[in-house]
Amino acid sequence: GENVEQHPSTLSVQEGDSAVIKCTYSDSASNYFPWYKQELGKGPQLIIDIRSNVGEKKDQRIAVTLNKTAKHFSLHITETQPEDSAVYFCAASTTAGSFGAGTTVTVRA
Amino acid sequence: NAGVTQTPKFRVLKTGQSMTLLCAQDMNHEYMYWYRQDPGMGLRLIHYSVGEGTTAKGEVPDGYNVSRLKKQNFLLGLESAAPSQTSVYFCASSYELGQGYEQYFGPGTRLTVT
Repeated sequence: GENVEQHPSTLSVQEGDSAVIKCTYSDSASNYFPWYKQELGKGPQLIIDIRSNVGEKKDQRIAVTLNKTAKHFSLHITETQPEDSAVYFCAASTTAGSFGAGTTVTVRA
Repeated sequence: NAGVTQTPKFRVLKTGQSMTLLCAQDMNHEYMYWYRQDPGMGLRLIHYSVGEGTTAKGEVPDGYNVSRLKKQNFLLGLESAAPSQTSVYFCASSYELGQGYEQYFGPGTRLTVT
């Protein structure tokens, strides 16, 4: 089955700086790569996704890049704000989706 | 439109007791999932369903049973709770199975087994 590894497990950034989270996957058949944000006490919520026929996708301050050859994809958050503090999960979708272990992002004011 | 709801929100069980977690969705999704979330381990799939009356095992199915008698509901049962089942449980639903379709998650149920 699919194996997704996510790094780092924790990330602390100064407000206004950028944050980068990286994931690798094992199943070359995966073609959908969503990123979810989980705020304290809530369920995960999709923030951006990318499909295998696209190398990069951007939505305001959030961008995702995909390298299918190397089997890795990354989440980039620019101009971080306090409300970006949360746990972020990557996933690589084959059947029900395999999730990374999560990255706890803390934005320092 | 409530999305995905879960009941109860919190529960404490003694070892050996049984309980059922209820998940309901009002988006007419065919696919529903149960995950458990443990510190440092992300979300692990317990069971899932591809439609009313169907269920399938996920990554960590042992000790759990599920039923999908109605399209909008997906029940997760623990027949004899163990401390290792202390976790936060999330239900999710999607329009299609994996491969390009967003999963919508409920708010979670925090279960403690003593």
